[in-house]
Amino acid sequence: KNQVEQSPQSLIILEGKNCTLQCNYTVSPFSNLRWYKQDTGRGPVSLTIMTFSENTKSNGRYTATLDADTKQSSLHITASQLSDSASYICVVSAERGSTLGRLYFGRGTQLTVWP
Amino acid sequence: GAVVSQHPSWVICKSGTSVKIECRSLDFQATTMFWYRQFPKQSLMLMATSNEGSKATYEQGVEKDKFLINHASLTLSTLTVTSAHPEDSSFYICSARGGAGRTGELFFGEGSRLTVL
Repeated sequence: KNQVEQSPQSLIILEGKNCTLQCNYTVSPFSNLRWYKQDTGRGPVSLTIMTFSENTKSNGRYTATLDADTKQSSLHITASQLSDSASYICVVSAERGSTLGRLYFGRGTQLTVWP
Repeated sequence: GAVVSQHPSWVICKSGTSVKIECRSLDFQATTMFWYRQFPKQSLMLMATSNEGSKATYEQGVEKDKFLINHASLTLSTLTVTSAHPEDSSFYICSARGGAGRTGELFFGEGSRLTVL
């Protein structure tokens, strides 16, 4: 069964600290993995997208890693800011021919950054 | 980056009425758009996949007669919630696939919050 599991479910950190969010998946065949940030009441915004051959990708203070062998990904946030408080969603795409296949969503990690 | 616009951003309606939500890709052509539903503190749930010029593909458990989807052009898809009831109150989000190839980016709209009284 194709699934995407994220941990922790929620996380509270102090401003300026670093944190790492985890995403494990069983989606096969794998096409790509995306991390999105969703502020409350808003649509998700893309942070990174990684394909099978990519191990790490950065976007400012966000760094995503991917281990396609163990089917694990992480999102590392450096020097957190209050504005980082949001839900972070891991989305894995299954490969289907040459087009973007079905998407599988994790439940998200709710991050709260305290001053 | 590419922008996907949803309208209205929030709507309140009486039970039994129908509500239409629009999803537009503003600066790119989207051959495929997706509609999601999201309950509080839950992840997005895919409702249907909308391909331009053809019938939408609905996920299991989603009533196609209840949630009418039209994708008449490469930049516009609409979701109509027919005969809305309070249990249809939710946050509805669309996304549009831009570009081509396996890593085509996926852009989300800002969402539309529906409240049925």
